[in-house]
Parts: sequence; C-alpha cells; structure tokens
Amino acid sequence: DAGVTQSPTHLIKTRGQQVTLRCSPKSGHDTVSWYQQALGQGPQFIFQYYEEEERQRGNFPDRFSGHQFPNYSSELNVNALLLGDSALYLCASSSNRVRYNEQFFGPGTRLTVL
Amino acid sequence: KNEVEQSPQNLTAQEGEFITINCSYSVGISALHWLQQHPGGGIVSLFMLSSGKKKHGRLIATINIQEKHSSLHITASHPRDSAVYICAVKGTSGSRLTFGEGTQLTVNP
Repeated sequence: DAGVTQSPTHLIKTRGQQVTLRCSPKSGHDTVSWYQQALGQGPQFIFQYYEEEERQRGNFPDRFSGHQFPNYSSELNVNALLLGDSALYLCASSSNRVRYNEQFFGPGTRLTVL
Repeated sequence: KNEVEQSPQNLTAQEGEFITINCSYSVGISALHWLQQHPGGGIVSLFMLSSGKKKHGRLIATINIQEKHSSLHITASHPRDSAVYICAVKGTSGSRLTFGEGTQLTVNP
C-alpha cells in the first residue's frame, strides 16, 4: 500500500501564474481533503472532495479550486498566484465508510511563489 | 481566539524527561487527533481519540470531553522525538479538521 502520494514535491512559480497539485489517496479511501500550511503555522482546511464533488469548503477565495476523478485522486488548482500562497499544501485521504473516518496525510507539496 | 489552542508553543527537554503537551478546544467535536510533523513537512497520525486514554509505546494521549482538553505525554523522551506535535479536532458534522498551531519539541541528548 503506497499510502497517500502527492506530486510534485516542490514547485516554484511567479506571481500571477497558475498551479496544479495532485494527490492520490490511500488504497480504499474515497474522500480527499486539502490543507494549506504556512510556515510556522498549523494547517488550514481548503476543501474536501467526495464522490467527485466539493463537499466542504474552508475560508479560501475562488482562486482555489479542485477536482476529484472517478479513481478518487484529486487536483488542487490555484489561479493568479500571490506571494502569500507560498506554503506547504497537504492532502489527506479518508474513507467515508469507516466510523470516525481517520485522515491519512501525504508528504505535501512545497509551493514557493516569487 | 483560535478554536484549538496548544501549549506550550516551544518545548526543550533533556533526553529521558517526561513531556506533556496540552490542547484545549472550544467547539463540539467527534474526535481529536494528535499528529507529528518532522522537518520537510510529512505528517504522521499518532492518535485519534474521542474519549479516555490511548497508549502506543512511549506515547500516551488523554482526552477530557467535559473540559474540552487533551494531553499528549511522552515518557523517557529521546532526541528522535524532536518534531512538531499538532492537535487537530474533527467537528460534529463533516470530517474537516481544525488544527492547533503546533508545539515545537526539541529533545537534547
């Protein structure tokens, strides 16, 4: 079992550009959540996908969008990048069929916006 | 005020010491996670608990639902325990997590 995987591991972009981050959930998981972690802070919830639809959303602007594919993998898209979008982006997967549906985290993608 | 507060923010200990990290929350929850994050970013789940106490090796986690408080204890601390420890809570609806700011633990040999 490969666990939760994310790609790429590191990414450097410039202001105004667009970026796509990818996440493959743990085998058997159907729900993917995305989090943003700024340096020195705890992660902040961006949104969650289940059954290819956005189920919950945190306090992030519309520049942040996502998608979930039929194989449960997910993408996070950020448009019109700002310097403040520089952060570690974490993906977590869980199973909607399991009580308390514990989340398992990927290694993260470190995004730097110059 | 954050919904999840951790203390202390930073903690330095000598190898072998008993360590306690505290987490208080202000919302209703269905479960609480203790997570470990090493430099480089990867997060590992240590415990998920909704009542009582759990133990895994030298780690012990407790939760008091009435007081909305949880503690993570590390017995016989070791330099390899050095990491950021994060408390996160799952609300009563949905499965999103709300995180504390984390506690940076450094254990010196």
